[in-house]
Amino acid sequence: SQQGEEDPQALSIQEGENATMNCSYKTSINNLQWYRQNSGRGLVHLILIRSNEREKHSGRLRVTLDTSKKSSSLLITASRAADTASYFCATDAEAAGNKLTFGGGTRVLVKP
Amino acid sequence: DAGVIQSPRHEVTEMGQEVTLRCKPISGHDYLFWYRQTMMRGLELLIYFNNNVPIDDSGMPEDRFSAKMPNASFSTLKIQPSEPRDSAVYFCASSCDPLRLGARICSYNEQFFGPGTRLTVL
Repeated sequence: SQQGEEDPQALSIQEGENATMNCSYKTSINNLQWYRQNSGRGLVHLILIRSNEREKHSGRLRVTLDTSKKSSSLLITASRAADTASYFCATDAEAAGNKLTFGGGTRVLVKP
Repeated sequence: DAGVIQSPRHEVTEMGQEVTLRCKPISGHDYLFWYRQTMMRGLELLIYFNNNVPIDDSGMPEDRFSAKMPNASFSTLKIQPSEPRDSAVYFCASSCDPLRLGARICSYNEQFFGPGTRLTVL
């Protein structure tokens, strides 16, 4: 089973609205990362949150981590059409070396 | 730096043919990863290298798949013989080692992905 699973699988919003997506995982982690993938492209790293952090911001991105619930959320504020992409969480599990396990992704469509 | 470079970008081949995918990681990176992405199975790690040495190949689906990293700037993923179920987008990614470069220069386990190779096996 996947270590990280995103929810929802797909999200459609209007430009200017906020987009929130969630990620759940199963085992203890060192950190959790979020990546974005535009259609036909490779993944691009957005933000990393360590297991001892609860919240992190980067521009219009806000990530939270709740290790007791083994979940994370990614919030994109004031969305733009250019934010249309798939978003993946990736977990760096303890004792997993440098392996990242990616979830299935959330497809976000921002309508202009 | 040009980022992670993969070639070819697209490959169409017939079942039974040998396929070789190539990757050039970012200069100075110590880790190299090969992933496969399909609609059904998502993004799967196939194998990763550290300093040119394979560390974990547990994701390699079967003996038809092999990967090599003869030097720090080049890696190949070979499928022989190819089958239609191998059709997917194959990504190469690299990352640096903060223990070697320092945390200010290198963010732990942040992976940089190439553009991918879209493989179609007919």
